[in-house]
Amino acid sequence: DIQMTQSPSSLSASVGDSVTITCRASQSIGSFLNWYQQKPGKAPNLLIYEVSTLQSGVPSRFSGSGFGTDFTLTINSLQPEDFATYYCQQSYNIPFTFGPGTKVDIK
Amino acid sequence: QVQLQESGPGLLKPSGTLSLTCAVSGDSISSFNWVSWVRQPPGKGLEWIGEIHHHGSTNYNPSLKSPVTISVDKSKNQFSLRLNSVTAADTAVYYCATSVVAGHFDYWGQGTLVTVSS
Repeated sequence: DIQMTQSPSSLSASVGDSVTITCRASQSIGSFLNWYQQKPGKAPNLLIYEVSTLQSGVPSRFSGSGFGTDFTLTINSLQPEDFATYYCQQSYNIPFTFGPGTKVDIK
Repeated sequence: QVQLQESGPGLLKPSGTLSLTCAVSGDSISSFNWVSWVRQPPGKGLEWIGEIHHHGSTNYNPSLKSPVTISVDKSKNQFSLRLNSVTAADTAVYYCATSVVAGHFDYWGQGTLVTVSS
């Protein structure tokens, strides 16, 4: 299985800040990297697929980059509704695997 | 608007069988190439269980200790998950999710908590 890691595991930020979350795959996954946002008690919500394509309806302050094994999710000008846990997920091969999550909370 | 709704027993005894159904509304299940089950133990991360194509082919996560079966009933626009011989480790919120493109999950159900306890 491809192992996904994320850093940091948590971070504190203020409204208006820019934050970057890193995701690393245990082997090259090309561009098959997706990002989800999950709020407490809710299902995950697809934000970005294939590294950098925003899912319909996702604000442009979210962006993704990377290739191979190293990827980043950047949130510019953090909004109150962005405080949540973020997961990366590889869709390069089966079984699809998720990172352990990065919790973004309010400083 | 596509909606997915999981249903099934919330409490199971160890060694029992977990059976969940995901009803799809707002579109035909055939519009989604793949539908998956994903679970999340309380306070933990996400684990992909498996997927089924609307034509019936399946892929499963070999890491799961309990035998898994995913099936689709296109006439009812729903798909199902069956997990045999469950243990406490199978306690989780179970989500169903659809994929237009294999591997990323566009629409999710709200999730249903299944607790395995004697």
